[in-house]
Amino acid sequence: GAVVSQHPSRVICKSGTSVKIECRSLDFQATTMFWYRQFPKQSLMLMATSNEGSKATYEQGVEKDKFLINHASLTLSTLTVTSAHPEDSSFYICSLTRGGNPEAFFGQGTRLTVV
Amino acid sequence: DAKTTQPPSMDCAEGRAANLPCNHSTISGNEYVYWYRQIHSQGPQYIIHGLKNNETNEMASLIITEDRKSSTLILPHATLRDTAVYYCIVRGPSGTYKYIFGTGTRLKVLA
Repeated sequence: GAVVSQHPSRVICKSGTSVKIECRSLDFQATTMFWYRQFPKQSLMLMATSNEGSKATYEQGVEKDKFLINHASLTLSTLTVTSAHPEDSSFYICSLTRGGNPEAFFGQGTRLTVV
Repeated sequence: DAKTTQPPSMDCAEGRAANLPCNHSTISGNEYVYWYRQIHSQGPQYIIHGLKNNETNEMASLIITEDRKSSTLILPHATLRDTAVYYCIVRGPSGTYKYIFGTGTRLKVLA
């Protein structure tokens, strides 16, 4: 069964509004969480990493004030796209790992369309 | 993180073995080789991983060369449902290490 639940699977929002994407670990306490973005026909691009008890570390070129990541608990991480613009339209995917197990578990992704 | 290089695309006949190569010549001694695949508009799915020994599970086999500079993922009897983008990733042993995705190989299984 699913280990990671990502919600919503699809969202359409207006330019200038904010959108929150949730990523939940269903079976374990996730010590590390990753957020990725994927444009059509491209690979996954890592946006940020958050480890238990610390703030998210953003990859170069990713605006931390625009993409707010909250590792709210060991089973929940949220990504908020603030003041969304059409160029933020993309497929966003979360990933979780747990201590002692290097395998990453991926959510099913969220298709964001900004109109 | 070590970089990986994979062919951009491959075709395979249904029922035949699909052999997907990956080069990772700068791999470090404690880094594992992971394989994931992504079916259109879904999150990546774990396939297999290994350090230096060959590995096999219900989905695939992983062959790692002795110098660990390259590996091959083998899908023994490819089906149409195996059509996907396959990613080879090299990363450290801890769960805190990043998964950096390369461009992957787009495998198309032909009927």
